[in-house]
Amino acid sequence: AQTVTQSQPEMSVQEAETVTLSCTYDTSESNYYLFWYKQPPSRQMILVIRQEAYKQQNATENRFSVNFQKAAKSFSLKISDSQLGDTAMYFCAFIFYNTDKLIFGTGTRLQVFP
Amino acid sequence: DAGVTQSPTHLIKTRGQQVTLRCSPKSGHDTVSWYQQALGQGPQFIFQYYEEEERQRGNFPDRFSGHQFPNYSSELNVNALLLGDSALYLCASQTENTEAFFGQGTRLTVV
Repeated sequence: AQTVTQSQPEMSVQEAETVTLSCTYDTSESNYYLFWYKQPPSRQMILVIRQEAYKQQNATENRFSVNFQKAAKSFSLKISDSQLGDTAMYFCAFIFYNTDKLIFGTGTRLQVFP
Repeated sequence: DAGVTQSPTHLIKTRGQQVTLRCSPKSGHDTVSWYQQALGQGPQFIFQYYEEEERQRGNFPDRFSGHQFPNYSSELNVNALLLGDSALYLCASQTENTEAFFGQGTRLTVV
């Protein structure tokens, strides 16, 4: 079975600090993409960052970076210099190369406070 | 570019009724996927349409059906509504080698 586990239902961080959200997944496939999506109260799912499984180098997008450990099937998201606008639900997801079906975790609610 | 647009934004239906949700994909996108997001959960894949055909389907009963039109817009139909169908329904569009772009969803409440 292909599953995604986010073990932190809620996290909080002070503005300008760094926070790490955890994600583990289970699949027998070897070719896939991993994603972190942000869902603010507006409900629209917004792509934060993506990682191709065959790449060893961790992806980075401005203040967002990942720690991808393929053998451990772990894909954590680090948010540096947290901003109030980062407050949202964050979902970890993956997709196989030959399909467009995203498999999501249950999400982590992140609250950034002043 | 308006991005992915969904209508309506909110909807209340009675058990046993039928509902139709609509999605217009982002310009240039030819593939539309539908997801159901129950309260407190991550989205679950319902099905995907490409070239007016259902290409993939998740673990949803036949009460859930869809359609894609020649202009790539799509509809999601749910028959014989159950209380458990209450959820946020998300539409995502993409084309080959692009990531999925999501709409803001339709909040369906079944009473």
